[in-house]
Amino acid sequence: DIQMTQSPSSLSASVGDRVTITCRASQSISSYLNWYQQKPGKAPKLLIFAASILQSGVPSRFSGSGSGTDFTLTVTSLQPEDFATYYCQQTYSVVWTFGQGTKVEI
Amino acid sequence: EVQLVESGGGLVQPGGSLRLSCAASGFTFSDHYMDWVRQAPGKGLEWVGRSRHKLKSYTTEYAASVRGRFTISRDDSNNSLYLQMSSLKTVDTAVYYCTRLNTGGYYYFMDVWGKGTTVTVSS
Repeated sequence: DIQMTQSPSSLSASVGDRVTITCRASQSISSYLNWYQQKPGKAPKLLIFAASILQSGVPSRFSGSGSGTDFTLTVTSLQPEDFATYYCQQTYSVVWTFGQGTKVEI
Repeated sequence: EVQLVESGGGLVQPGGSLRLSCAASGFTFSDHYMDWVRQAPGKGLEWVGRSRHKLKSYTTEYAASVRGRFTISRDDSNNSLYLQMSSLKTVDTAVYYCTRLNTGGYYYFMDVWGKGTTVTVSS
């Protein structure tokens, strides 16, 4: 299976900060990379698909980039509602895998 | 409103079986691949498996951790997805989510999620 490694595992930030989360795949996955946000006790929500395409309704402060093995999720000007855990997901192989998550805390 | 509602979770002993259901509404269920994803307490997300639609002969895929123990099926006439779990282990304890796949373009993603149902495997 393709392994997905996110860094950092957690980070502390303040409202208004720019935050960047990295996701690395164990092999090239082209742009078959999605990002999800999960808040405590809630189901995950799709933010970005195909590495850089913003899902409808997601604020433009979220952006994704990368291809091959290295990807980033950036949140410009962090808002209070953005404190959550973020997961990357590869959809290159038949067996999909997630990163271990990055918790963004105050 | 597009909605997925899981049910069937509960407490089961190791070695036991359980069947989860996912009721879909607000969209044409038969047009979509559907996946199960789980999340153990305090842990990350784990993809469990997939049901493809009729055009792909209802084929299924499974994560290695559940292959041979879990079976995914669907009933398009009732807009329902199922996860039959057998030979359950304590490590299968998790919230199980039903998800809809968007496969309309070149890239696939999970665009609709249910709220989840909790499975606890314990003696």
